[in-house]
Amino acid sequence: QKEVEQDPGPLSVPEGAIVSLNCTYSNSAFQYFMWYRQYSRKGPELLMYTYSSGNKEDGRFTAQVDKSSKYISLFIRDSQPSDSATYLCAMTIGGYQKVTFGTGTKLQVIP
Amino acid sequence: SQTIHQWPATLVQPVGSPLSLECTVEGTSNPNLYWYRQAAGRGLQLLFYSVGIGQISSEVPQNLSASRPQDRQFILSSKKLLLSDSGFYLCAWVGTVSSYEQYFGPGTRLTVT
Repeated sequence: QKEVEQDPGPLSVPEGAIVSLNCTYSNSAFQYFMWYRQYSRKGPELLMYTYSSGNKEDGRFTAQVDKSSKYISLFIRDSQPSDSATYLCAMTIGGYQKVTFGTGTKLQVIP
Repeated sequence: SQTIHQWPATLVQPVGSPLSLECTVEGTSNPNLYWYRQAAGRGLQLLFYSVGIGQISSEVPQNLSASRPQDRQFILSSKKLLLSDSGFYLCAWVGTVSSYEQYFGPGTRLTVT
């Protein structure tokens, strides 16, 4: 079993839709959670990071962590064609410990 | 602000040839630096990380090596490339003592033929 599981997609939605991207994990020691956006042939860009359980909102993006279920989500409201990218979840125990990445979900927002 | 550079952006090399990829970070000092390889459908594989000049830890001891000759410079090398070394190589840094967020460079796409 992988430490972090992420549905690879692709996920196709119409412009303006609400998108839900999810990851599950098995290591209960993970405390810090991140979401990256990666455009084709580019390096991943850090979108959001959260500590422990709860929600964090930044513009159209909301990150949600449920440590009891070992489940994290990224919601995108009013999705735009420019949101079309691969989204990677990532998590770590903390400090300079190794960061474990999901394999990414490819999202396509259709105009 | 901090920026991270990688070069070359793309590289096509024959099997058995040497490799040298370079990563430099600007706007910060004493960063932790990381080399990852990203293969299609396989996510990010950590290859090496460094907490300081001359300090390298290897996660995947293959035919690749890494060096950190200067505080903000990280180099990935190979003496003889294999076909399986093809992939997208990414350098990343973590800036502050309490930080855990990693910031990535633009990447180098390596094709071994």
